[in-house]
Amino acid sequence: GGIITQTPKFLIGQEGQKLTLKCQQNFNHDTMYWYRQDSGKGLRLIYYSITENDLQKGDLSEGYDASREKKSSFSLTVTSAQKNEMAVFLCASSIQGAAEQFFGPGTRLTVL
Amino acid sequence: GEQVEQLPSILRVQEGSSASINCTYENSASNYFPWYKQEPGENPKLIIDIRSNMERKQTQGLIVLLDKKAKRFSLHITDTQPGDSAMYFCAAGNSNNRIFFGDGTQLVVKP
Repeated sequence: GGIITQTPKFLIGQEGQKLTLKCQQNFNHDTMYWYRQDSGKGLRLIYYSITENDLQKGDLSEGYDASREKKSSFSLTVTSAQKNEMAVFLCASSIQGAAEQFFGPGTRLTVL
Repeated sequence: GEQVEQLPSILRVQEGSSASINCTYENSASNYFPWYKQEPGENPKLIIDIRSNMERKQTQGLIVLLDKKAKRFSLHITDTQPGDSAMYFCAAGNSNNRIFFGDGTQLVVKP
């Protein structure tokens, strides 16, 4: 088995601040994803990466940057935090696109 | 891309009865259809999936059906229990490295 860790678990920032969320996986999976989940809602794909140094935009990429520094890690940057993007950010990984995605525990973002 | 429609958004059933969730997709190239369960405060977890070479799959009280002609797939939970109360997401994808999620169904199993 493997595990996905996300840091921090809770992130509090000021409006307009640049904030970075980190994700690590030890599954040795090629593909990693960042999703945003607003309270009680579905999963919206922000960015994904099919291999180290690759980056693909999802449906909600505006206002975010991402970086796949190495196969095991994928970070997400909120370029200018806004109050309307308070949500849980979920990282996931899979061996390939059409396969089970394993999700991390999430980072809950609060913007003051 | 792909659009996945999921209905209903909320489903209330009596304990012991069955529950059905339906999804439709647009892209005929989609060949992988997973279902995820998300309990309150937890992350989503895969409960069952089906590929386009099958029409039916069953495991531990869960049945998934796939109708490729109608571009429709469904999850059926037999003999629901309070522990089945959760958010359920369907998804569709192919080998193009991402899947497309439905908006979710909140299942409430009443004792």
